[in-house]
Amino acid sequence: SQQGEEDPQALSIQEGENATMNCSYKTSINNLQWYRQNSGRGLVHLILIRSNEREKHSGRLRVTLDTSKKSSSLLITASRAADTASYFCATASGFSGNTGKLIFGQGTTLQVKP
Amino acid sequence: GAVVSQHPSWVICKSGTSVKIECRSLDFQATTMFWYRQFPKQSLMLMATSNEGSKATYEQGVEKDKFLINHASLTLSTLTVTSAHPEDSSFYICSANSHSGNTIYFGEGSWLTVV
Repeated sequence: SQQGEEDPQALSIQEGENATMNCSYKTSINNLQWYRQNSGRGLVHLILIRSNEREKHSGRLRVTLDTSKKSSSLLITASRAADTASYFCATASGFSGNTGKLIFGQGTTLQVKP
Repeated sequence: GAVVSQHPSWVICKSGTSVKIECRSLDFQATTMFWYRQFPKQSLMLMATSNEGSKATYEQGVEKDKFLINHASLTLSTLTVTSAHPEDSSFYICSANSHSGNTIYFGEGSWLTVV
């Protein structure tokens, strides 16, 4: 079953602009992860934020987590055409030994126009 | 770094036949692996948790007799789609926990087309 929704479902921006994607989930979590997927390919892990963290940075990526609202956002700054892909949030719940079981959001398709 | 390999990357099979997809952890032992299915333009749906040496745990709505999972060793889990139908055509992706359980590695996925 899906954990929640991502918003927007599709996003089209110009190169250099920032892209913000939001993710909501339903249950309590251990951590939330963001992944990128190029069309027809496997997943690339972008960033993991634990339930006791509120914000995390990695290069041009900034992730926030609001556990009270059960939501997270992914910000990609200074976007590039190569950032064009689908982005998924995924939540891990339960005991630490089970953190490999991920429930994915519906995803946001990002198109960055050159 | 650690790598999870899937084979085949893509496969075409006829309706009614069975097809096996392999998921291997190449440089670490994985007591637990996970199988996901992704239909075009949709998200990943967890199908089952594959446990080394024991039966897989299937998610609600996933037919265990149709999607046979075998995790016979610490580095290999297989998913067999039995009596495949065109509606089984999808992208199947596996993942594996590192031994510590703290890191998840995904395979590159396997495209299945049933004709």
